[in-house]
Amino acid sequence: EVQLVESGGSLVQPGGSLRLSCAGSGFTFSSNSMKWVRQAPGKGLEWLSYIDGTSTTIYYADSVKGRFTVSRDNDKNSLYLQMNSLRVDDTAVYYCARSSGFDVWGQGTMVTVSS
Amino acid sequence: DVVLTQSPLSLPVTLGQPASISCRASQSLVHRDANTYLHWFQQRPGQSPRRLIYKVSNRDSGVPDRFSGSGSGTDFTLKISRVEAEDVGIYYCMQGTHWPPYTFGQGTKLEIK
Repeated sequence: EVQLVESGGSLVQPGGSLRLSCAGSGFTFSSNSMKWVRQAPGKGLEWLSYIDGTSTTIYYADSVKGRFTVSRDNDKNSLYLQMNSLRVDDTAVYYCARSSGFDVWGQGTMVTVSS
Repeated sequence: DVVLTQSPLSLPVTLGQPASISCRASQSLVHRDANTYLHWFQQRPGQSPRRLIYKVSNRDSGVPDRFSGSGSGTDFTLKISRVEAEDVGIYYCMQGTHWPPYTFGQGTKLEIK
């Protein structure tokens, strides 16, 4: 079964840092580009980042550029999102999604930024 | 950036009746490779998004055939031929033609009347 499982979400203070992980299984992880998408409480979906299969090409949304860093370890079938300088408006459920068509999503991990 | 505008934003539907959601793009979504990367997602309450339709009109595996997608250029539609209780949720269109950034519509909340 193709599956993505996020982890690492928690409560963090404004200005703090957090690292999210996304573990893939049931498919050839290295052959797929991966994305991070978030959803603030009661709001819609916002794309955050893209990384290709070899980590050669990376893109970010303007809202997180310079603060978030996406990376992957294909040997561990894992995707990461390092989040620094967190703000209250970064509070959201964070999802990883597979491929250019966003065909598989994880269950999400909640990040709460609050003092 | 491409803006996707969905309508309606709220859609009360009687069980067994059809439903239709519109997604309008601020520019043509035809890619230079001739494909149109407009996809539809369903998010049931408390769940993560699930892709229903890819590239305008292709149903994903396991998606009931009461769901269909159509459209071209800047205007797209998701139709449900007969709404069932399990269809309650929020529906999003998304474009992957002009990226970055990938952009989503605001979402349409379907509820049972």
